[in-house]
Amino acid sequence: DIQMTQFPSSLSASVGDRVTITCRASQNIATFLNWYQQKPGKAPKLLIFAASNLESGVPSRFSGSGSGTDFTLTISSLQAEDFATYSCQQSFSTPLFTFGPGTKVEIK
Amino acid sequence: QVTLKESGPVLVKPSETLTLTCTVSGFSPSNSGMGVSWIRQPPGKALEWLAHIFSNDEKSDSPSLRSRLTISMDTSKSQVVLTMTNMDPVDTAMYYCARISVRMTGTVFDDWGQGTLVTVSS
Repeated sequence: DIQMTQFPSSLSASVGDRVTITCRASQNIATFLNWYQQKPGKAPKLLIFAASNLESGVPSRFSGSGSGTDFTLTISSLQAEDFATYSCQQSFSTPLFTFGPGTKVEIK
Repeated sequence: QVTLKESGPVLVKPSETLTLTCTVSGFSPSNSGMGVSWIRQPPGKALEWLAHIFSNDEKSDSPSLRSRLTISMDTSKSQVVLTMTNMDPVDTAMYYCARISVRMTGTVFDDWGQGTLVTVSS
């Protein structure tokens, strides 16, 4: 099984801050890595697919990078509506999928 | 507009079987490269993929739950049904259905239902 870890597990930031979240896979997954945003009480929303591709309609302040085992999600200038939990998900081991534990972004 | 909606019991007793239905609109599960997946999230915990099914009846489920899960599709009703046997309090979670899309760059869950909270308790 491919295990996904994320760090930090939570962070506090202010509006306008640059925020970086890291996701690590237990083995090489190339760029088969997706990022989701989940607001409290809501379903997850796909933000980035294949490590660095912005899903349609997602603001350009979100970006993703990485390949192999290490990936990052960056929010260039945090907005009030970005306070949420962010989770990574690997699709390398299709048809089996795993998610990371999530990173909660809170208001400082 | 793609929509998915979960339905099923909110409370299940231990050892009982859970049956959840996902009704989709705005896309057909019979579309090539698209299917429906079930994903759950215990309170305060991570998302866990459970199973998925495509229109050609290709399906897959989590190895850790395989003996307990059954997934099926009724394309005429645009519904996907998940059954999970022998429910336990640790199965208490929000259960989501999501559209699974196979893209050239990998597989994503690109539309989600609102979720249904299932509590397992006597």
